[in-house]
Amino acid sequence: QVQLQESGPGLVKPSQTLSLTCTVSGGSISSGGYYWSWIRQHPGKGLEWIGYIYYSGSTYYNPSLKSRVTISVDTSKNQFSLKLSSVTAADTAVYYCAREGAAMGFGELLYNWFDPWGQGTLVTVSS
Amino acid sequence: IQLTQSPSSLSASVGDRVTITCRASQGISSYLAWYQQKPGKAPKLLIYAASTLQSGVPSRFSGSGSGTDFTLTISSLQPEDFATYYCQQLRTFGQGTKVEIK
Repeated sequence: QVQLQESGPGLVKPSQTLSLTCTVSGGSISSGGYYWSWIRQHPGKGLEWIGYIYYSGSTYYNPSLKSRVTISVDTSKNQFSLKLSSVTAADTAVYYCAREGAAMGFGELLYNWFDPWGQGTLVTVSS
Repeated sequence: IQLTQSPSSLSASVGDRVTITCRASQGISSYLAWYQQKPGKAPKLLIYAASTLQSGVPSRFSGSGSGTDFTLTISSLQPEDFATYYCQQLRTFGQGTKVEIK
C-alpha cells in the first residue's frame, strides 16, 4: 500500500526557510488521480491544511500562508516538497504530508479525504 | 468555512455509545470526513463522504448527516478508541474532540 515519509531539518532559525520533502512509496505520484498535500499541527492544537500539488505541477495554497509557501514535485524521485519562507516561532509544528483523494461532480469538488498520512515531523523554529 | 465540533472533550466508559457532532458554518458541501488521532501519531481516516467507512475501520464507527450538521457515532466504545477525533470538510478541519476514559 501507499506510504508517505517526511524528511528534513527539525530545527530552523527565525526568518529562514523551512524545507521538507515527502517520499512516496508503494504508488506513483505520476499516476494521477490524487492531490499531494502538506498539513501541519501546532503543539497541542488542531490541524491546518497548507497546500497541495498535483502530479502535473499545479498547486493550491491556503490563502493564509500563500505568500510564504511553495510546493513542488519531483516525479522522477516520487517526491514532493514544501518550502515555507520567513518562518517565526508561530511556524513551530508537526508537519505531515498526506495523499488527498477527491470526488468531482460537474467539474467541482464534491468531497475529499486525506489518506494515507506520513508519520509527521516536528519542526521547531528557534535561534 | 468553519467547522465546530461538540463537545470539545468527553469522558466515557468502555461499552458506551458516543456521539460527536460537527457543524459547518456554511452548507458548501454535503459531505464530511472523520479522523482519529492518538498521541504522537498521524491522524487516521475513519469515514469519508459523511457515511462511508474507510476499509479496515471497525463497523462500530458510523457517520451521518448532510448540509451543515454531521455526526460521528461509536456504538460501543472500546479501549483503543480513546483518542482525539477531527472532522474535515474540503480543506478545513474541526478543532477536535478528545475522548477520555471515565
